Amino acid sequence: ETGVTQSPTHLIKTRGQQVTLRCSSQSGHNTVSWYQQALGQGPQFIFQYYREEENGRGNFPPRFSGLQFPNYSSELNVNALELDDSALYLCASSLTAREEQFFGPGTRLTVL
Amino acid sequence: AQTVTQSQPEMSVQEAETVTLSCTYDTSENNYYLFWYKQPPSRQMILVIRQEAYKQQNATENRFSVNFQKAAKSFSLKISDSQLGDTAMYFCAFMKYQGAQKLVFGQGTRLTINP
Repeated sequence: ETGVTQSPTHLIKTRGQQVTLRCSSQSGHNTVSWYQQALGQGPQFIFQYYREEENGRGNFPPRFSGLQFPNYSSELNVNALELDDSALYLCASSLTAREEQFFGPGTRLTVL
Repeated sequence: AQTVTQSQPEMSVQEAETVTLSCTYDTSENNYYLFWYKQPPSRQMILVIRQEAYKQQNATENRFSVNFQKAAKSFSLKISDSQLGDTAMYFCAFMKYQGAQKLVFGQGTRLTINP
């Protein structure tokens, strides 16, 4: 059974650019959640997708958007990057919205 | 809104000792879940233990156990016979029973197990 995978591992962008981060859910999982983890902090919830529909959103501006595909893989898009967007972005999948969330290794985004 | 507080930014113990990590939370919900996650230096977050608020019995998983005090909104993690592989960031997290199943995390405790 393949776990949650994320790509790329590391990414460097400049202010104002756009970025797409990708997540492949664990087999059979129909729910994916995205979190932002700033250095030295706990992860903060960005949003969750359940069967391709957004199922909840945290306190993040609209320039953070997402997609979930029929195979339950997912993307996180961030437009108009700001320096404060520099963080580790974690994806977590679960069998249903209420089950244990399994985390991927994360994508480290640096905005210069 | 729910908040989770971990008051110990760092802890350090010797191998084989017992260590307790503290966590308090604030919520008006009656039904919810509490978790302890471990994030080793390699970054991948792993679930250590889970507690459902309606269960009075404290959860245990091998060397890991919790002390859940619902009235006090306290949820501490005890690691017995600590091992070098227990070195990691530990996060306490809360999840509501209803609505969007988002995890609300504390700031984390960096635990170092010394040989």
